[in-house]
Amino acid sequence: DSGVTQTPKHLITATGQRVTLRCSPRSGDLSVYWYQQSLDQGLQFLIQYYNGEERAKGNILERFSAQQFPDLHSELNLSSLELGDSALYFCASREGAGDHNEQFFGPGTRLTVL
Amino acid sequence: GQQVMQIPQYQHVQEGEDFTTYCNSSTTLSNIQWYKQRPGGHPVFLIQLVKSGEVKKQKRLTFQFGEAKKNSSLHITATQTTDVGTYFCAGPDTNAGKSTFGDGTTLTVKP
Repeated sequence: DSGVTQTPKHLITATGQRVTLRCSPRSGDLSVYWYQQSLDQGLQFLIQYYNGEERAKGNILERFSAQQFPDLHSELNLSSLELGDSALYFCASREGAGDHNEQFFGPGTRLTVL
Repeated sequence: GQQVMQIPQYQHVQEGEDFTTYCNSSTTLSNIQWYKQRPGGHPVFLIQLVKSGEVKKQKRLTFQFGEAKKNSSLHITATQTTDVGTYFCAGPDTNAGKSTFGDGTTLTVKP
């Protein structure tokens, strides 16, 4: 157990819909990262938040947005869903903003768009 | 932008054989991290290498960081079925705090 929680575990929805994925980081971790992993693919970095502020942005679509709340939990919003958005979405947390320590990954949310 | 490439993409071995995955970055890295993702699981941190030429061992796993700090390798001696999974390397990008992950090497072990 990494200490990072993600809800829901599974999500099945239809094209055009909007969903929200939730992540609670490890206690004390200020950074939250979101990744997308499609079938048999690597980890595509989407976005990073540090202590409530957006810190780095990756290949995140305009239809996707995220935020980190004062209690440090984070939400990833996916809208106008397409079939190609079906993937595993991982959240990871890290103690600081830098890159000198490990990331702790949550169990992921499996999104299926029908 | 920075690219991190891993080879091979897939490796199938007989139990007891050795396995090596290689990671190459387009830029010099301040450190490199390795993660393992079991089938159906999430990535789990294995190790971080920081120094040029550094070699670290974890039981049957040997991790190496190149002299130029642009490449790294993970070698598993005498693979076991518990070694199956996808091994990712990750290096920090020029965007502070952002790590670029390689595409991973998926290892299958035949008993």
